[in-house]
Amino acid sequence: QKEVEQDPGPLSVPEGAIVSLNCTYSNSAFQYFMWYRQYSRKGPELLMYTYSSGNKEDGRFTAQVDKSSKYISLFIRDSQPSDSATYLCAMSAGNTGKLIFGQGTTLQVKP
Amino acid sequence: ETGVTQSPTHLIKTRGQQVTLRCSSQSGHNTVSWYQQALGQGPQFIFQYYREEENGRGNFPPRFSGLQFPNYSSELNVNALELDDSALYLCASSVPGPQRGPEGGYGYTFGSGTRLTVV
Repeated sequence: QKEVEQDPGPLSVPEGAIVSLNCTYSNSAFQYFMWYRQYSRKGPELLMYTYSSGNKEDGRFTAQVDKSSKYISLFIRDSQPSDSATYLCAMSAGNTGKLIFGQGTTLQVKP
Repeated sequence: ETGVTQSPTHLIKTRGQQVTLRCSSQSGHNTVSWYQQALGQGPQFIFQYYREEENGRGNFPPRFSGLQFPNYSSELNVNALELDDSALYLCASSVPGPQRGPEGGYGYTFGSGTRLTVV
């Protein structure tokens, strides 16, 4: 079993839809939770960062962490074609460079 | 512009050869991590360097090695290349520890990667 599980999709939605992306994990030591966006032929770009449990909102993006269920989510409101990318969840037990990534979910937002 | 640059962007090598990939971090970023991302997969942690010393390693064999230099540049070396080494190699650098989270945010910035193809 992988430490972090993420549905690879692909996920296709119409413009303006609400998108929900999810990851589950098995390591209860994880405390730092991140969502990265990766465009084709580019490196991952940090979207959201959450320490421990709770919600965090930044514009159209909301990240949720439920440590009791070992489940994290990213919601994208009013999705745009420019949101079309691969979304990677990542987590870490400590504030180090050792991140454990999910497989990534490919999202396509159709105009 | 991420402030982390990697070179070359693409590389083709033959099985059994050796390769060196380079990363240039932002000034002041004294921690660098390297990742391997196979097609359709998430990045996998190779190792991390802090102040020119290896400081954590993932599940990769010793033929994967690295160096970090005082000028915030670093290298990933892979010996005896295998076909399965074909992947996107990413480096990520970070501000010094006291500036990182939880209050300071995570702080790691990725480069655009080097696409290595082993034939």
